[in-house]
Amino acid sequence: EVQLVESGGGLVQPGGSLRLSCSASGFTFSSYAMHWVRQAPGKGLEYVSAISSNGGSTYYADSVKGRFTISRDNSKNTLYLQMSSLRAEDTAVYYCVKGIPGIDAFDIWGQGTMVTVSS
Amino acid sequence: DIQMTQSPSSLSASVGDRVTITCRASQSISSYLNWYQQKPGKAPKLLIYAASSLQSGVPSRFSGSGSGTDFTLTISSLQPEDFATYYCQQSYSTPCSFGQGTKLEIK
Repeated sequence: EVQLVESGGGLVQPGGSLRLSCSASGFTFSSYAMHWVRQAPGKGLEYVSAISSNGGSTYYADSVKGRFTISRDNSKNTLYLQMSSLRAEDTAVYYCVKGIPGIDAFDIWGQGTMVTVSS
Repeated sequence: DIQMTQSPSSLSASVGDRVTITCRASQSISSYLNWYQQKPGKAPKLLIYAASSLQSGVPSRFSGSGSGTDFTLTISSLQPEDFATYYCQQSYSTPCSFGQGTKLEIK
């Protein structure tokens, strides 16, 4: 079964750090670009970050640039999102997502992990 | 960045109704338009990719059309399980972007 499982979410104070992990199974992880999408409570979907299949290319939304770092370990089939200098507006469910090559439609989503930034 | 605008933002309909949701891009995106369904507390689910291709396992009552800047998602005969929020997404350029969502409610 193709599956993505996120972990690492939780409550963190403003200015703090958190690292999210996403464990992939059921497909050849190293062949696919991977993405993070977030959703603030009661709001829509926001594209956060992406990384190429070999990790050589990354993208960040302006809202997180300079504060978040995406990475991957293809030997462990795991995607990461290191988040620092967290703000209240980063509070959201963070989804790990696999894209369909060439069209970047997101066909596999994790269950999401909640990040709450609050004092 | 490309802006995506969905209409309506919310919609009330009955089981058996035919429903259409519209998505407009701020510039041409060819056919790089995808549709997702999200139910409360769940991750989004891909329904339609490349404007009109039905994702595997998705019922045939869902269909998509359009190209360029104007796109539609049609549900031919609403079923109880279809009441959810629907999002369009452009994947023509980075960053990809989503519409604001259309909440489909039971009348």
